[in-house]
Amino acid sequence: EVQLVESGGGLVQPGGSLRLSCAASGFIFSDHYMDWVRQAPGKGLEWVGRIRNRANSYTTETAASVKGRFTISRDDSKNALYLQINGLKTEDTAVYYCARMFGSGYSDYWGQGTLVTVSS
Amino acid sequence: DIQLTQSPSFLSASVGDRVTITCRASQGISSYLAWYHQKPGKAPKLLIYAASTVQSGVPSRFSGSASGTEFTLTISSLQPEDFATYYCQQVNSYPLTFGGGTKVEIK
Repeated sequence: EVQLVESGGGLVQPGGSLRLSCAASGFIFSDHYMDWVRQAPGKGLEWVGRIRNRANSYTTETAASVKGRFTISRDDSKNALYLQINGLKTEDTAVYYCARMFGSGYSDYWGQGTLVTVSS
Repeated sequence: DIQLTQSPSFLSASVGDRVTITCRASQGISSYLAWYHQKPGKAPKLLIYAASTVQSGVPSRFSGSASGTEFTLTISSLQPEDFATYYCQQVNSYPLTFGGGTKVEIK
């Protein structure tokens, strides 16, 4: 069974940093591109970024709204995906989901999400 | 960036109703469109990909279609478990984008 479990969220002051993790199981993690998607309270879904697999040099794509502050990485030996968030702003408050990519770019499995709250 | 405009943003319907949600792309995206639904406090669930392919395990009452830059999700007979918010997503080009969502509520 495919499982994605996010962790690392919490309350952070503006300007702070956080590293979110996503533990994957039930599939060959190293084969798949992985995404981060976030959702502010009461709002819609916002794609944050993607990391490709080893065969594609682990290259990343990132939304303009977070570029320079958010860094996506992965450790295939640990079946883990990461999102390093620096310079947190109040507008980064959201539930952050990791998702597995399949096919031409769709997300077929999602984690349950981890809440990041940015507030002083 | 490619903008996706969903309509309506809110829909009130009864069990058994046929429901149609539209997603219009600001430029051509071929068939690189997915539909998800999301229930409160839960992660989104993939329903349709490549505009019209039903994801494995999704009931056959869900269908998708495309005409140019206009995409449609149809639920042929709304069931109680279908009351949720529906999102379209384009994966044609980066940044990937989602529509604003359509909330389907019980009439």
